[in-house]
Amino acid sequence: AQSVTQPDIHITVSEGASLELRCNYSYGATPYLFWYVQSPGQGLQLLLKYFSGDTLVQGIKGFEAEFKRSQSSFNLRKPSVHWSDAAEYFCAVGAVPWGKLQFGAGTQVVVTP
Amino acid sequence: KAGVTQTPRYLIKTRGQQVTLSCSPISGHRSVSWYQQTPGQGLQFLFEYFSETQRNKGNFPGRFSGRQFSNSRSEMNVSTLELGDSALYLCASRLGTGQTDTQYFGPGTRLTVL
Repeated sequence: AQSVTQPDIHITVSEGASLELRCNYSYGATPYLFWYVQSPGQGLQLLLKYFSGDTLVQGIKGFEAEFKRSQSSFNLRKPSVHWSDAAEYFCAVGAVPWGKLQFGAGTQVVVTP
Repeated sequence: KAGVTQTPRYLIKTRGQQVTLSCSPISGHRSVSWYQQTPGQGLQFLFEYFSETQRNKGNFPGRFSGRQFSNSRSEMNVSTLELGDSALYLCASRLGTGQTDTQYFGPGTRLTVL
């Protein structure tokens, strides 16, 4: 069965500092991987996705993620965070049939001045 | 293009009642998936509908049901509400015809069961 692990429940980062959120997956076939962000009281917004090809994926809001098959990881990065990046971030793997996403537990990001 | 819309946004019910939540997908999208989000269990898949047929189902009791209409709008019903059903219910739509379709989420319906 597929699973997604986000080891960090909570991360605090200073504004302007870099951010890296970890995601490890377990999936029997080629994974379809996603990062979503959720602001308080809101739904999920897609940041980026990986299906195949280039293992470094660029997303919206200056985020990027790198797929590493050997490590079963899909870590999210941003070089310089802004206060508006404070939110909860979810990694997800697309399971077959493809209408189902398996989510990690999420990482809460707090940005300090 | 308008995004995924969900109504109502907030709902308060009492135990034993039933509730119906509505989701209107992005125009042209034929697949609608439903998820339950709680602090304890996180985001869990409920079911997916495509062209009015349930295509996939998560591990939830039969009290949770859904349907999809010919215009792709979907409703989710929860009968005999329990306190543990209090959650944010998220709907997501996608084209539904390809393996790489992205799911786009609505703002959710916050259900509180008293």
